[in-house]
Order: sequence, then C-alpha cells, then structure tokens
Amino acid sequence: QKEVEQNSGPLSVPEGAIASLNCTYSDRGSQSFFWYRQYSGKSPELIMFIYSNGDKEDGRFTAQLNKASQYVSLLIRDSQPSDSATYLCAVPEVYNFNKFYFGSGTKLNVKP
Amino acid sequence: DAMVIQNPRYQVTQFGKPVTLSCSQTLNHNVMYWYQQKSSQAPKLLFHYYDKDFNNEADTPDNFQSRRPNTSFCFLDIRSPGLGDAAMYLCATSTGTDTQYFGPGTRLTVL
Repeated sequence: QKEVEQNSGPLSVPEGAIASLNCTYSDRGSQSFFWYRQYSGKSPELIMFIYSNGDKEDGRFTAQLNKASQYVSLLIRDSQPSDSATYLCAVPEVYNFNKFYFGSGTKLNVKP
Repeated sequence: DAMVIQNPRYQVTQFGKPVTLSCSQTLNHNVMYWYQQKSSQAPKLLFHYYDKDFNNEADTPDNFQSRRPNTSFCFLDIRSPGLGDAAMYLCATSTGTDTQYFGPGTRLTVL
C-alpha cells in the first residue's frame, strides 16, 4: 500500500462547477497535509495546507480533512479553465517532517 | 522576491556523459531537496540536506550524487546518465517544519 494515494483521473468538470479531488493516506499518525498544483511541464506550487480536522477555506479552494477516515479532499468552487492542472497531495512522514510523501496526482480538466 | 532558482532549465546530454544541475535559494531555508519526476508520476525524493547533514534515500542509485557547498546552493551530479534518467529534476527548500517550495525544475533529456 502506498503512503499517499490519489485517483489519477482525468477528472473533467464544466466551467463554473465544483471540482472535488480526494487523497487517502496510510499513516494514522499523520498530522499535516498539503495540496500542490502542477501545470504541465511546470513545478508544483503550494495551494493549501491543513492540520486540523474539518474544513479550511481560501478563496475558491477548500481543504477538508477527516483523520478518522484518513482522507483529505480539495474542493475547487467555480472551476475555471485555468484550474486545469494536476493536483498533488503531500503528507510529511510522521517522525520526519523533512520527508514528504507525494501522491501521483489527479489530473483536472475544466471545460469551457 | 525570495525564490528557488534552478539552472539550466533544459539540459540535453549524451548517454554516459556526466551532467551537473544546480539549485540556489534566497529563502535562507535550512533544508534543500532534490526530486526526480517522470511523466504522470509523483516526485521521487533523491536526497535532502538539513544544513550540511546529507540524507540519501535508500533507493537512490549510486549514479546520483549531491553537494551542498553552502546554505544557498545545492548541486545534483549524474555521473553516467542513462536513458532512464531522462526526467524533470526538481529542487525544493523548506525550513524543516513547514511546506516545501519548489524551483522551476530542470528538464533533462538523454540522447
């Protein structure tokens, strides 16, 4: 079992819809979770991080964390074509914050 | 602006010809990382430095070496590149207690 798992997609949504991206992790002790966006041929850039159970909102982005079920989600409201990218979930190793486990990413296509 | 810089952005080398990729940062972060990322795959950690403390991942091939001469710079040396080493190489930095910030990457092509 991989430490961090994501559906590779592609996930296609129409412009203006809500895109929901999911990530599951294997280590129940994990405390912090990061979402990165990666455009094709570019490097990952941080979108959001979340430490506590529940929701965290930042503009059109909402991160949701459920530690009991060991999943973290990213919701993108009012999706735009410019949101089309691969979204990577990253979870630091429990006893070594220097080591992040990355999922392989979910490719999102937002259709005009 | 504080940032992570990688040079070159694109590198073409021949099979077996050594190549060095560089990374510099103005963030003054303690930790610097090198990742390899192939198409549609997760970034794969090769090494990281906490200050001068070098940490090698167990599955990083011996063909890959790294140097960090000072806080700002880190180098990735590929001694004898093979076709399977063609990838995007990502440098990242962090304070060690927070997120990782990535440079723009170097796309390596091996002919």
